[in-house]
Amino acid sequence: GDSVTQMEGPVTLSEEAFLTINCTYTATGYPSLFWYVQYPGEGLQLLLKATKADDKGSNKGFEATYRKETTSFHLEKGSVQVSDSAVYFCVWYSGSARQLTFGSGTQLTVLP
Amino acid sequence: NAGVTQTPKFRILKIGQSMTLQCAQDMNHNYMYWYRQDPGMGLKLIYYSVGAGITDKGEVPNGYNVSRSTTEDFPLRLELAAPSQTSVYFCASRGLSETQYFGPGTRLLVL
Repeated sequence: GDSVTQMEGPVTLSEEAFLTINCTYTATGYPSLFWYVQYPGEGLQLLLKATKADDKGSNKGFEATYRKETTSFHLEKGSVQVSDSAVYFCVWYSGSARQLTFGSGTQLTVLP
Repeated sequence: NAGVTQTPKFRILKIGQSMTLQCAQDMNHNYMYWYRQDPGMGLKLIYYSVGAGITDKGEVPNGYNVSRSTTEDFPLRLELAAPSQTSVYFCASRGLSETQYFGPGTRLLVL
């Protein structure tokens, strides 16, 4: 069935390190893809999105490119900060089902 | 503009008790959702609504009920609390775009 698979955590990095969190999806058709972020004690917030193949979403130094050929939407950031410590969810939207499908989340901790 | 608000923030229930989790949004969104988040897991959809008076089951509806009498409010009812319902509950809403806006969550512990 339809699903999202993302890199398991937790991930611990030093400040200014490069971040990659892998995400692949299995879906019929071409869903819209999102990364949501959950800071400690808060609800989820949209980080970035891409609605069609080869689109690149970007926000706050994070980027992800919608790769149809590899069904992937990997999240990257060139230089992480302590304030980026959070849980990151890869999510896709099925227009037919009008629902979001969530990956299991990746806990990121950035150390000073 | 408060966005999506949820009450209470935290609640402890005894097995068999009932409670209603409140959710309200002031963005005039037609779509509203209830999710549960278990430790180390992604969010699972419980119920959703596409407008006032219309609700539908999500992936994990058993043990829950919802109503949508107004555009703003989407309460979630637990009739007979069970330990398996210990979780963090998130309400979300969206308008015409696919982006959902989430509330801060309600942490529920059933003992």
